[in-house]
Amino acid sequence: EVQLVESGGGLVKPGGSLRLSCAASGFTFSSYSMNWVRQAPGKGLEWVSSISSSSSYIYYADSVKGRFTISRDNAKNSLYLQMNSLRAEDTAVYYCARDAMVGGYYYMDVWGKGTTVTASS
Amino acid sequence: DIQMTQSPSSLSASVGDRVTITCRASQSIYSYLNWYQQKPGKAPKLLIYAASSLQSGVPSRFSGSGSGTDFTLTISSLQPEDFATYYCQQSSSTPFFTFGPGTKVDIK
Repeated sequence: EVQLVESGGGLVKPGGSLRLSCAASGFTFSSYSMNWVRQAPGKGLEWVSSISSSSSYIYYADSVKGRFTISRDNAKNSLYLQMNSLRAEDTAVYYCARDAMVGGYYYMDVWGKGTTVTASS
Repeated sequence: DIQMTQSPSSLSASVGDRVTITCRASQSIYSYLNWYQQKPGKAPKLLIYAASSLQSGVPSRFSGSGSGTDFTLTISSLQPEDFATYYCQQSSSTPFFTFGPGTKVDIK
């Protein structure tokens, strides 16, 4: 079964750090680009960051650039998000999602269940 | 940056109704448009990609259309399990994906 499982969320004080992990199984992880997408309480979906299959290309939303770092370990079938200088507005459920592409059209076809990050004093 | 809007923001409908949700992009995104369904407390689920291609396993009552700036998601006969929030997403500026604000479909 194709599966993504996030972990590492929790309560952290503003200014603090947290590292999220996403464990992949059931597919060849090293062949896919991956994403982090977040959802603040009662709000919509926001793309956060993407990393290509070999880590050659990395992108961030302006809202997290300079504070968050995406990485992956293909040997461990794992995706990471290092979050530093956390702010109250980073409070959200964080999802990892697999990138798929058909005929040049990209979409996110597999999602994890999410992990909750709360930045509050 | 490409901005996405959706209308309506919410709607009430009955089982068996035909439901249409509209998504508009701030500039042409050709057919680089995806639709997702999200139920409370759950992860989003891909329904439609490339504006009109049905994801494997998704019921055929879901369909997508449009190109350029205007797109539509249609549910031909609403089922009890379809009450959820629906999001469009542009992938024209991949990997800088942008989601629409969502349309909540609830029971009349």
